[in-house]
Amino acid sequence: GAVVSQHPSRVICKSGTSVKIECRSLDFQATTMFWYRQFPKQSLMLMATSNEGSKATYEQGVEKDKFLINHASLTLSTLTVTSAHPEDSSFYICSAKGSGRAWEQFFGPGTRLTVL
Amino acid sequence: SQQGEEDPQALSIQEGENATMNCSYKTSINNLQWYRQNSGRGLVHLILIRSNEREKHSGRLRVTLDTSKKSSSLLITASRAADTASYFCATDDTGGFKTIFGAGTRLFVKA
Repeated sequence: GAVVSQHPSRVICKSGTSVKIECRSLDFQATTMFWYRQFPKQSLMLMATSNEGSKATYEQGVEKDKFLINHASLTLSTLTVTSAHPEDSSFYICSAKGSGRAWEQFFGPGTRLTVL
Repeated sequence: SQQGEEDPQALSIQEGENATMNCSYKTSINNLQWYRQNSGRGLVHLILIRSNEREKHSGRLRVTLDTSKKSSSLLITASRAADTASYFCATDDTGGFKTIFGAGTRLFVKA
C-alpha cells in the first residue's frame, strides 16, 4: 500500500511556542489530506480536511488560527500548532487520499506532541 | 465529531478465544471500515464493507453490517496475543468526503 510519513514522530516543547508537523505522501499524489487528533485511550477526532492549493476546511470547534494547515503541494501538508499550551498535548495523525478509490486513505504513523 | 459508539470499550480474552466488537453509527453511509491501532501508532486498515453488503471475510476476520440497525460487528477468530490493539470502525459520510471514527474497542489478548 501507499506510504504516508509524518515528521517529527515526537516533539516536546515549551508552552507558548509553535510546533510544525509535516505529513508527506511518499509514493502517490495526495489530493486530500486529513488531520486528526487523538487523546489517550480515545478515538480519532477529525480536525480538518485540506485539498492541495486551497484553504483547509475545519471541523466545528477547531480553531483555525490555532491550528494552521497548509497543503502546498500534492505530497505535503503541514499542521502548525501556534502558541501551544499543555492542553494541546495529544497524538496528531494525518491521512491522505489519492486519486484512486474514493474510500481509500492512508494514515501516517502519528506525532506525539507534549507541551510543558 | 464521532459517528458512533463501539461496544465493548474494552475486552480481555485468552489466546485462542474469539473476540467480537460492535459498532453503531448514526447517519447513512457508503461503506464502513475497520481499523486497528497498536498503542501509540498509526492506523492499519483491516477491512471494508459496502453498504449493500451484509458480511465479509478476510482471514480470521469476519465483518457484518446491518444498515437497518446502523450497526456492524467485527469478529476475530482464534485470537492471538499479537491481536492486542485498539480497533475502530469508521464510516464515510454519504458525500464520501471524510471519514468519521467510532470510539474504539481496546482488545487485550492474554497469552
